[in-house]
Amino acid sequence: AQTVTQSQPEMSVQEAETVTLSCTYDTSESNYYLFWYKQPPSRQMILVIRQEAYKQQNATENRFSVNFQKAAKSFSLKISDSQLGDTAMYFCAFSLKSSGTYKYIFGTGTRLKVLA
Amino acid sequence: EAGVTQFPSHSVIEKGQTVTLRCDPISGHDNLYWYRRVMGKEIKFLLHFVKESKQDESGMPNNRFLAERTGGTYSTLKVQPAELEDSGVYFCASSLKSGQRSGNTIYFGEGSWLTVV
Repeated sequence: AQTVTQSQPEMSVQEAETVTLSCTYDTSESNYYLFWYKQPPSRQMILVIRQEAYKQQNATENRFSVNFQKAAKSFSLKISDSQLGDTAMYFCAFSLKSSGTYKYIFGTGTRLKVLA
Repeated sequence: EAGVTQFPSHSVIEKGQTVTLRCDPISGHDNLYWYRRVMGKEIKFLLHFVKESKQDESGMPNNRFLAERTGGTYSTLKVQPAELEDSGVYFCASSLKSGQRSGNTIYFGEGSWLTVV
């Protein structure tokens, strides 16, 4: 079965500190993409970062970086220098090609609160 | 460039009534997806359009849900008759043509929050 597990329903972090959100997934596919999306209280879901499974190098996007461990099927998100605007629900997801199109599988989300 | 837009943003209806949600994808995006998130649960796939064709509707919960995408532009998702368990956030997303590297990223709308009472 294709699943994504986010074991931390809620987390909090002090402003300017670093926080890591965990994500594990299960798939028998070898080619897929991994994503972190955030949904702030304003509700627009935004892509934070993406990783291609065949690339060993961890993706980085400014203060956001991932720790991708393909063998362990782990894809954690690290947020450095946390800012109040990082408060949001974070969803981990992966996509794989199925019948010629991409299908996306999401986790249950982690609610992150950045404290002033 | 306008993003994915959804209407209505919130809807409260009584059990047994009908609701129609609308999604306007990003211009030029052939792929349109509907997802749903029930409170506390994961975001679940409902269906996928490629232009006006239903590519995959394996996630549609039952025949009370009807999705259309006439002309391959905007899409509607109708729930008739609505039940209490249909409450949740309905997300629409779009992406460029499948198979292109950049098309693998999907862009979400803000969601339509449906409450059935």
